[in-house]
Amino acid sequence: AQTVTQSQPEMSVQEAETVTLSCTYDTSENNYYLFWYKQPPSRQMILVIRQEAYKQQNATENRFSVNFQKAAKSFSLKISDSQLGDTAMYFCAFSDDKIIFGKGTRLHILP
Amino acid sequence: DVKVTQSSRYLVKRTGEKVFLECVQDMDHENMFWYRQDPGLGLRLIYFSYDVKMKEKGDIPEGYSVSREKKERFSLILESASTNQTSMYLCASSPDLAGGETQYFGPGTRLLVL
Repeated sequence: AQTVTQSQPEMSVQEAETVTLSCTYDTSENNYYLFWYKQPPSRQMILVIRQEAYKQQNATENRFSVNFQKAAKSFSLKISDSQLGDTAMYFCAFSDDKIIFGKGTRLHILP
Repeated sequence: DVKVTQSSRYLVKRTGEKVFLECVQDMDHENMFWYRQDPGLGLRLIYFSYDVKMKEKGDIPEGYSVSREKKERFSLILESASTNQTSMYLCASSPDLAGGETQYFGPGTRLLVL
């Protein structure tokens, strides 16, 4: 069965720093999708970034980028120039025919 | 913008009560999902539906049922609420069940069962 592991339950960084959130997954499939979702305090969960496994190029969305290492089954999220509004719970997710979420990383951006 | 709404943000119920959580999406999505979110456990899928009147069990369906009579509305039912069902409940929708589809989430309902 597929699994998704986020090894950092909680992290804190200073505003404007770069932070990397880790995610590893386990699957025997070759075609799948990976996601990072963000859940700000008391607000709706939204998609941050999405990666298709068959694409070698790492996905990027403004200050958010991923380091996708297919052989290592690793999918980390890098947030550059972090802002106070990046404070949130971040969930890594894997999907082939159904989606599986990791347990989340609570990120605090400190002023 | 896709909008997913849930009927209540906070709900307090007593053990044994029947509880209805409602979710409505406005983007004509085929698929709707109910998750439970608990600290340290992430999101766990309770049920999902890929069409009107269709439903599939997720990973933790015990103690829950669902109803989808209209495409835009997906209800989660706790037939007899218990204290271990105190949790945050998230509804989501997606246009297709294909693996790569983004899920759009509602704001969540925080349920406390006393």
